[in-house]
Amino acid sequence: AQSVSQHNHHVILSEAASLELGCNYSYGGTVNLFWYVQYPGQHLQLLLKYFSGDPLVKGIKGFEAEFIKSKFSFNLRKPSVQWSDTAEYFCAVIPASGSARQLTFGSGTQLTVLP
Amino acid sequence: EPEVTQTPSHQVTQMGQEVILRCVPISNHLYFYWYRQILGQKVEFLVSFYNNEISEKSEIFDDQFSVERPDGSNFTLKIRSTKLEDSAMYFCASRGTGAFYGYTFGSGTRLTVV
Repeated sequence: AQSVSQHNHHVILSEAASLELGCNYSYGGTVNLFWYVQYPGQHLQLLLKYFSGDPLVKGIKGFEAEFIKSKFSFNLRKPSVQWSDTAEYFCAVIPASGSARQLTFGSGTQLTVLP
Repeated sequence: EPEVTQTPSHQVTQMGQEVILRCVPISNHLYFYWYRQILGQKVEFLVSFYNNEISEKSEIFDDQFSVERPDGSNFTLKIRSTKLEDSAMYFCASRGTGAFYGYTFGSGTRLTVV
């Protein structure tokens, strides 16, 4: 079974600082990877996804992530964070083949951006 | 943009009571899911449903839980006898088929068992 590790439980940054959130997964086969964001009191929203091709993927709101297969990593980055980026961020993995293909989430990283 | 709709947004119930959480998936999606998130913890898979039957379920999804698609639009999660530890945010999701899975989450139902 697949698993996802997010090493940073809580990250605090000032506005305009650069962000990198770590995500590592464990799975013996091909996976698809996702980053979701959950703003306070709201539901999960898809930030970006990787299926195949260019390992550097760009998502909404200026976020990007790089898939490094050799490191089983899919780190999320943003060059300059804003106060409105304060939220919880979840990395998720799904097997590329199979039937039901449920998502497996990491434990999440709470990002707090100070104005 | 199509949405997954969940009702109610918040439900408070007494321990031992039955609750039914309701979801309306995106109309042309074929796979349906329930996930839950206990406060401060990760989002956990509960169950997947396809072709009118359960495809997979996690260890959390014990005999107290059941799912149903009673008509062509609703997808429900029933907890027969709620426990305090069932308090969580419950998310419904649906997806289509093809290269992009179209995995879409609903806004969640916050269940509080007292």
